[in-house]
Amino acid sequence: DADVTQTPRNRITKTGKRIMLECSQTKGHDRMYWYRQDPGLGLRLIYYSFDVKDINKGEISDGYSVSRQAQAKFSLSLESAIPNQTALYFCATSGTGSTDTQYFGPGTRLTVL
Amino acid sequence: QKEVEQNSGPLSVPEGAIASLNCTYSDRVSQSFFWYRQYSGKSPELIMSIYSNGDKEDGRFTAQLNKASQYVSLLIRDSQPSDSATYLCAVNIGPIIQGAQKLVFGQGTRLTINP
Repeated sequence: DADVTQTPRNRITKTGKRIMLECSQTKGHDRMYWYRQDPGLGLRLIYYSFDVKDINKGEISDGYSVSRQAQAKFSLSLESAIPNQTALYFCATSGTGSTDTQYFGPGTRLTVL
Repeated sequence: QKEVEQNSGPLSVPEGAIASLNCTYSDRVSQSFFWYRQYSGKSPELIMSIYSNGDKEDGRFTAQLNKASQYVSLLIRDSQPSDSATYLCAVNIGPIIQGAQKLVFGQGTRLTINP
């Protein structure tokens, strides 16, 4: 089984709808991250969490919110989806060291019409 | 100026040749650097990390770091068609006191190895 899973893998929704993307991990890592990837822009950090009680905004947090329900679960919500949030979303986890590898989930392709 | 910059390519290299991928970064206090490979439609996977000036070799891959020039590169020797992918450079800009890892990614270089 995959260490980092994301659901759903694909989602098409309409403008104004609330959407939740979920991430679960079995690696036992404390740190979890949400990124979005757009063509030509690389990966950009939305939110990150160092543990269940510590959540931080990344560089593009506007329009998004997160919830860390447990060490293993980190959810990303779009309260009112808009078309420019159409992107590929990745969850990642890492250990607590600054040199620790980040392990990525398979991604969720979100389309907002 | 972007914090991490890469040539987006595409970079085309014949099979068996050396592929050279470059990355520059703007934060002088950055301490850790990573190269990820991403196949089309897949998630990024780490192939190399480097923390000290100089070269680090792992199989056909060599990462090179020059902190004075704020430059990190990845060399792929004996390039294979399976190396065709997008390569992402990532730099940790997190506060060292927390041991934080807040990665900033470049836009990626698309590499094609021609048989």
